[in-house]
Amino acid sequence: DTEVTQTPKHLVMGMTNKKSLKCEQHMGHRAMYWYKQKAKKPPELMFVYSYEKLSINESVPSRFSPECPNSSLLNLHLHALQPEDSALYLCASSQTGAVQETQYFGPGTRLLVL
Amino acid sequence: GEDVEQSLFLSVREGDSSVINCTYTDSSSTYLYWYKQEPGAGLQLLTYIFSNMDMKQDQRLTVLLNKKDKHLSLRIADTQTGDSAIYFCAEKAGGFKTIFGAGTRLFVKA
Repeated sequence: DTEVTQTPKHLVMGMTNKKSLKCEQHMGHRAMYWYKQKAKKPPELMFVYSYEKLSINESVPSRFSPECPNSSLLNLHLHALQPEDSALYLCASSQTGAVQETQYFGPGTRLLVL
Repeated sequence: GEDVEQSLFLSVREGDSSVINCTYTDSSSTYLYWYKQEPGAGLQLLTYIFSNMDMKQDQRLTVLLNKKDKHLSLRIADTQTGDSAIYFCAEKAGGFKTIFGAGTRLFVKA
């Protein structure tokens, strides 16, 4: 099973709302990633968790708050977002995050901020 | 610095071969990847190559790596309409970060 699942598939939220994106994998991977992808652009790394600890935060605004409650789950909590935050949010995982590992991506959550 | 460049668009006829090219700048890149993204979907890993290899073949896909020129290509044999998608070249030199190119949009004409 090489599947990474993400929920919801689509999300529409206002600028005052609080919502969460969820990501799950059951491959026993210990590194999990959040990427943001704007239309016609490549994915941009936001956060990396390794062994449930935040390893990389690519200078992401605090209105995005990641959480890794256990080794299978990764959440992204959203609060007070701006319309320019509308994008496809992709989750990925890999075994431990080492350089030789492949990242497996989920299908993404398409977010629209009104 | 790290940079990955790709041509943005490629159009081929069904049944022809497609060749998508990529250049990268980080000479310490260890792994190079090709991902496919269909409209509205996530990224699907197609294939990858270690930097100590020149070529890798996987069914209809052939990856060629010229490490001296830092040039990577993906050849799709017998291209089908279902191959229409965006193809991302990506490199990984160290740590957690994967650097993606801008993506090449492949359009297959029936």
